[in-house]
Amino acid sequence: ETGVTQTPRHLVMGMTNKKSLKCEQHLGHNAMYWYKQSAKKPLELMFVYSLEERVENNSVPSRFSPECPNSSHLFLHLHTLQPEDSALYLCASRWGRRAGELFFGEGSRLTVL
Amino acid sequence: QQPVQSPQAVILREGEDAVINCSSSKALYSVHWYRQKHGEAPVFLMILLKGGEQKGHEKISASFNEKKQQSSLYLTASQLSYSGTYFCGTEIVSGAGSYQLTFGKGTKLSVIP
Repeated sequence: ETGVTQTPRHLVMGMTNKKSLKCEQHLGHNAMYWYKQSAKKPLELMFVYSLEERVENNSVPSRFSPECPNSSHLFLHLHTLQPEDSALYLCASRWGRRAGELFFGEGSRLTVL
Repeated sequence: QQPVQSPQAVILREGEDAVINCSSSKALYSVHWYRQKHGEAPVFLMILLKGGEQKGHEKISASFNEKKQQSSLYLTASQLSYSGTYFCGTEIVSGAGSYQLTFGKGTKLSVIP
């Protein structure tokens, strides 16, 4: 138990569906991250939120839309995804915007049919 | 911008030592090391900062050569529990002024009896 909880753990969706991934942290952190992990690829940084403000968007397609309503919650809204978007999506949090250790959730395994 | 890790994979017998290397072409603010076991979240091992400060677990050791932008993780007297994929993360200051942490492709370590 890392203090970072992701739901759902598994999600299967069609290309025309709209779904959301949720991340919640109980650690009092003020920075939250979305990473994508595909088979045989490194962890790819998608979005960074610090103090609920998006500070980084790494050329992620607009079919992924993040939302951070408060410092404890982070969402990733998904719509009209492609099969190549199938991956493990990891949420992480830390205190401060630099040099602190990241606490990862167990991830949401997404399959796009 | 992602760091380069080597080797990609290594197999050890219990009690043997291993070194995992990480290098970057960018000037680094810090280097992170994480371990991920199959089906689990990545877990923090160590941070090495510019200037020599280190934070991490007592049984893990690592080095950071700031001039060469290289880091090495030292695993000594390996145990079966050391098995997993080790990720190096390098932190730089992005063009937008935020601190961006990107990961290498990982090194798969297998410890056998």
